[in-house]
Amino acid sequence: DSGVTQTPKHLITATGQRVTLRCSPRSGDLSVYWYQQSLDQGLQFLIQYYNGEERAKGNILERFSAQQFPDLHSELNLSSLELGDSALYFCASSLGTLSNQPQHFGDGTRLSIL
Amino acid sequence: AQKVTQAQTEISVVEKEDVTLDCVYETRDTTYYLFWYKQPPSGELVFLIRRNSFDEQNEISGRYSWNFQKSTSSFNFTITASQVVDSAVYFCALSDGGSTGANSKLTFGKGITLSVRP
Repeated sequence: DSGVTQTPKHLITATGQRVTLRCSPRSGDLSVYWYQQSLDQGLQFLIQYYNGEERAKGNILERFSAQQFPDLHSELNLSSLELGDSALYFCASSLGTLSNQPQHFGDGTRLSIL
Repeated sequence: AQKVTQAQTEISVVEKEDVTLDCVYETRDTTYYLFWYKQPPSGELVFLIRRNSFDEQNEISGRYSWNFQKSTSSFNFTITASQVVDSAVYFCALSDGGSTGANSKLTFGKGITLSVRP
């Protein structure tokens, strides 16, 4: 058990809809990262938050947004969903922002768009 | 830009065989960190090992060992006496935030699917 909690585990919805994925980091970790894992793109970094503030952005679509709340949990919002958004979305957390700190991953949320 | 290449896509071995998973990376930074993660069939990503760019000492931990060579930009992972439970997808990853750690995102390779048959 990594200590990172992601909900829900599975999500099935239709094109055009909006969903919210939730992540609770490990106790004591201030950084939260979101990654997308798809068959064609592999594991790709989306966005990072540190102590409530956006720290780094990757290949995140404009239809996607995220935030980190004062209690350090984070949410990833996906809107105007398309079939290609079907993927496994991982949240990871680390102590801070340094590159040498291992990121510990949650079990992921599997999103299926019908 | 950073890049991680795992040229092997699938490896199948019989239990108790040794297996080496290859990883080659590219980065312009002089300080960087390399990681291996394991993704078993259940889907979660499990952190295995971290190595920094200024420590080329190789390491053995139980049945696992790592071979880091800066000269060839490689960070290979070996499982000795493989077991069925080692069956998983193994990812090599790079973080090159340098001394400031300003860019700590992970860049992953495509992964290697390891199947260990009884």
